[in-house]
Amino acid sequence: GEDVEQSLFLSVREGDSSVINCTYTDSSSTYLYWYKQEPGAGLQLLTYIFSNMDMKQDQRLTVLLNKKDKHLSLRIADTQTGDSAIYFCAESPRKGGGNKLTFGTGTQLKVEL
Amino acid sequence: DGGITQSPKYLFRKEGQNVTLSCEQNLNHDAMYWYRQDPGQGLRLIYYSQIVNDFQKGDIAEGYSVSREKKESFPLTVTSAQKNPTAFYLCASSPYTDGGTEAFFGQGTRLTVV
Repeated sequence: GEDVEQSLFLSVREGDSSVINCTYTDSSSTYLYWYKQEPGAGLQLLTYIFSNMDMKQDQRLTVLLNKKDKHLSLRIADTQTGDSAIYFCAESPRKGGGNKLTFGTGTQLKVEL
Repeated sequence: DGGITQSPKYLFRKEGQNVTLSCEQNLNHDAMYWYRQDPGQGLRLIYYSQIVNDFQKGDIAEGYSVSREKKESFPLTVTSAQKNPTAFYLCASSPYTDGGTEAFFGQGTRLTVV
């Protein structure tokens, strides 16, 4: 079955860039997503990328996709304390899968002053 | 305001009891989903429904049941057959498409077995 992996923790200083990495196994993935979860809350979509793209930028967020290596990353520029949260990578397993998502384990980002 | 609402926020269940978690959306979305979240394991799909009166099992459906009698509502019942039900449960909805759209999540229900 599909598998999505992430490292569990990342700590950065305020103002630095954060890079959160994700690897996936399903080569038929059509969309890859990044979601943010604040404590005790649901998930909020940050951005997504279609599998025929290499990069997508949205304000402080940059998503890079290496389809050959099945590697996805999320870069947050000028990281702020409000960015502290859990970040989930997710994929739509195949065309027609809609939002039947396979999630990674989540990366807890801690931003220190 | 449009959105997706889960209730209750916290729920306590005695062993051997069934409990039902509510999920309601007013976004006119066709598809709805239930996920379970455990620490260090991400989210796992329990059940999903792409249209009224139809639903499919996800990866961990054993011990759970759902219904989809109305477009707006997708309640999840955690039965006594679920051996380890303590977890954070998240409901989501989205348009029924081939992806590339946002799945909107509720605020979650934390279920604890006492």
